[in-house]
Amino acid sequence: QQQVKQSPQSLIVQKGGISIINCAYENTAFDYFPWYQQFPGKGPALLIAIRPDVSEKKEGRFTISFNKSAKQFSLHIMDSQPGDSATYFCAASKQAGTALIFGKGTTLSVSS
Amino acid sequence: GAVVSQHPSWVICKSGTSVKIECRSLDFQATTMFWYRQFPKQSLMLMATSNEGSKATYEQGVEKDKFLINHASLTLSTLTVTSAHPEDSSFYICSAVKGTGLTFFGQGTRLTVV
Repeated sequence: QQQVKQSPQSLIVQKGGISIINCAYENTAFDYFPWYQQFPGKGPALLIAIRPDVSEKKEGRFTISFNKSAKQFSLHIMDSQPGDSATYFCAASKQAGTALIFGKGTTLSVSS
Repeated sequence: GAVVSQHPSWVICKSGTSVKIECRSLDFQATTMFWYRQFPKQSLMLMATSNEGSKATYEQGVEKDKFLINHASLTLSTLTVTSAHPEDSSFYICSAVKGTGLTFFGQGTRLTVV
């Protein structure tokens, strides 16, 4: 059973455009939802995280939107740049600091 | 952010030998560290939870006698792949939890067993 479902699997966006990646979860006990960026051969880097009591969080060009009733959350990358080309993973855990369950990842390519 | 360092970044070993991977939190203490495994173009799969001073908790299907985890201090956890075989070749990644609850990952270790 896949606890965190992520889509799309791959995404191509033009430079300056908005990249949108979606995730859905099943377990209502999840209380912490981070997004990670991973470049080939590197470990994941924390981008931004949100908790269910907040519907939106913005950090620079990155925004998480959270819909508790639908059990969905999404990452928006504004003004996408070629340097944003990477694999993005959503994740969830029962509380911050506990084991993360990852989505399958989205490979983003930003064309220049 | 916080810094988590893994060593080595890559290693090639012969089938049947053992390999040790170190995970260090450089600028914070971590009572909990996690070990993940990632196959090419796939997601991270949790292998085990490592708590300082206690035995690691392994996920279902992960052989604890094959993947030995030791969390000897608040800044160091080690993963030893014993009697490695080609199917153990993978990208192994550790993560450490900072006091704030945020989880930071190491840069990963590429293990190739020949």
